[in-house]
Amino acid sequence: AQKVTQAQTEISVVEKEDVTLDCVYETRDTTYYLFWYKQPPSGELVFLIRRNSFDEQNEISGRYSWNFQKSTSSFNFTITASQVVDSAVYFCALSEGRRDFNKFYFGSGTKLNVKP
Amino acid sequence: DSGVTQTPKHLITATGQRVTLRCSPRSGDLSVYWYQQSLDQGLQFLIQYYNGEERAKGNILERFSAQQFPDLHSELNLSSLELGDSALYFCASSVGGATNEKLFFGSGTQLSVL
Repeated sequence: AQKVTQAQTEISVVEKEDVTLDCVYETRDTTYYLFWYKQPPSGELVFLIRRNSFDEQNEISGRYSWNFQKSTSSFNFTITASQVVDSAVYFCALSEGRRDFNKFYFGSGTKLNVKP
Repeated sequence: DSGVTQTPKHLITATGQRVTLRCSPRSGDLSVYWYQQSLDQGLQFLIQYYNGEERAKGNILERFSAQQFPDLHSELNLSSLELGDSALYFCASSVGGATNEKLFFGSGTQLSVL
């Protein structure tokens, strides 16, 4: 079973539209961490946000916001007023437990196309 | 720029061959990770090293091996290459390798096996 599911393979929006990228995770650990990474066309994965399982507060950073809901095991990412530069593949990832190793489980990614 | 350096950026080789991918972590990071990204498998964790020692293993084939050297750079060796090994190979680093640490990724090595 997939530990991280990003059901949306590809999304296309027009600039200035809001868009939400879904992420559903699966874990039995009570302590875990969730991440979002952006992979622009250049290829390098760029860290966007980290959330621990004990902090369900939503977070906003400029046009980006994240909604963490343990009840539904979801960690969704919303881009407000999207821009062409937001076009990229976005990955959600899960890191489990208090361990001394870090084995990220990545979702399959959602490709976002923002058209002018 | 993440501070993680990977070489080469592109590699074209033939089936049956052996290649070495190299990674230099961010200054101060002790942990190095290798990931394989392919269209059908997505981002797959291969292996993690911490300060020269193997710490975690993922879906790494027996034909693949890695090591981390005393200067903390790492190499991923791929041998008896098959067409299916064509992929983008990422190296990432983090400070200590614990569960809550974010990873800093290099720009990847695009391997094409012909």
